[in-house]
Order: sequence, then structure tokens, then C-alpha cells
Amino acid sequence: ELKVEQNPLFLSMQEGKNYTIYCNYSTTSDRLYWYRQDPGKSLESLFVLLSNGAVKQEGRLMASLDTKARLSTLHITAAVHDLSATYFCAVDLQSGGSYIPTFGRGTSLIVHP
Amino acid sequence: DSGVTQTPKHLITATGQRVTLRCSPRSGDLSVYWYQQSLDQGLQFLIQYYNGEERAKGNILERFSAQQFPDLHSELNLSSLELGDSALYFCASSEGDIPSAQPQHFGDGTRLSIL
Repeated sequence: ELKVEQNPLFLSMQEGKNYTIYCNYSTTSDRLYWYRQDPGKSLESLFVLLSNGAVKQEGRLMASLDTKARLSTLHITAAVHDLSATYFCAVDLQSGGSYIPTFGRGTSLIVHP
Repeated sequence: DSGVTQTPKHLITATGQRVTLRCSPRSGDLSVYWYQQSLDQGLQFLIQYYNGEERAKGNILERFSAQQFPDLHSELNLSSLELGDSALYFCASSEGDIPSAQPQHFGDGTRLSIL
């Protein structure tokens, strides 16, 4: 069974600071997703990482994947209040020709002025 | 606006009942995905349909079933409802059948409350 662990689960940070959210998973996979969810809202796809060493950046967020360590990171640079949200990672387990995602519990991020 | 429409937005019903949740995918998208989000279980993938055929199956209970119709809209049927089925049910759509090939676009969800 694939387990996906995110840490920290809660993160309170000041504007302008940098921080990293970690996503560890238990079974070999080379497909990992990051999503954002604003309070009371739906999910938004942020990144899809498809190979070892993959790095993607969008604005102040940068995601990377190390398949050998079974670890992905979501790095936040110079945080701003608008980044306050819950961030989820999800990892695909391939079963035949289909892909079954397993989600982490989410990291609730609050950015203070 | 993601282009994915889910109805109803809220649903309140009693244990033992049956409900149907509806999802209309974004124009041009052939895949529909269903997810459940609850405080206890977190986010879980339920099932994926591609162009009318079941493509991938996750943690979907036997009391739950889904289908995708020729016009590509999808319905998730939940029966013999239990208190633990109270959750937010999301639908998402994408163009192709491989989830990682294109981004998924999520609907606003249906909040199901079981009394």
C-alpha cells in the first residue's frame, strides 16, 4: 500500500521568508502532483513532476522530485499573503495501464504580514 | 472558472438513502475523475472514466457506483448512505486518459451531509 506523508501539516510563516514543504512516499513512483486548495474552495493543479530530478517553478513556488529518495519538495520563496492555502501532494501508483493517486494529508500554510 | 460544473452544490439527506451527484466536464475533456474529501479520510481518489469507459478505480466503496454518459457527463451514485459518507465530492476533467499528461480541472464540489 502506498503511503504519502507530508510535513509539516501546519505552517505559519511571515511574509518575505522562505520555507520548504516535504512530501515523502513509500513505494517507487515517478509521477507526483502538487495541488493548492484555498479555504472552502476547490483544488487547483500546481505542478506535475514526471521524472527523477524534475524541477518546476511558477512564481514563488518551486517543486522538485527525487525518485530515489522518494521525496518531493515544494519550496516557497519570499512568501506573500496570497500564498496562504492548503497544499497537497499526490503520488501515482501504476496498476496495469491505469494510475491511482494517493494524497498526502495536506500542509496548511498561513502567511502573516 | 474551471469549466467543470457540479450539481448540486449542497445535499442533505439521511442515513440509508441514495443520492446522485452530477458532473459536466470542461468542453473537449474526455476524462472525468471523482474524489472524496473528508476530515477523517482526507482526499481520496474514487474513480476515473475516459470517453465512457472506466479507466482507473481507487478507494470506491461497493455502495458507490459511477458512470460516464455518451455526452461525457458523469454521475456518481451513493447508496445506503452512512454518516461517514459525509464529505465534499469533487469532480475533475482532463483531455486525455493519462492523468499526468494534462492538468486536471476541478469543479467546485458537492458537499454531502448525512443526518
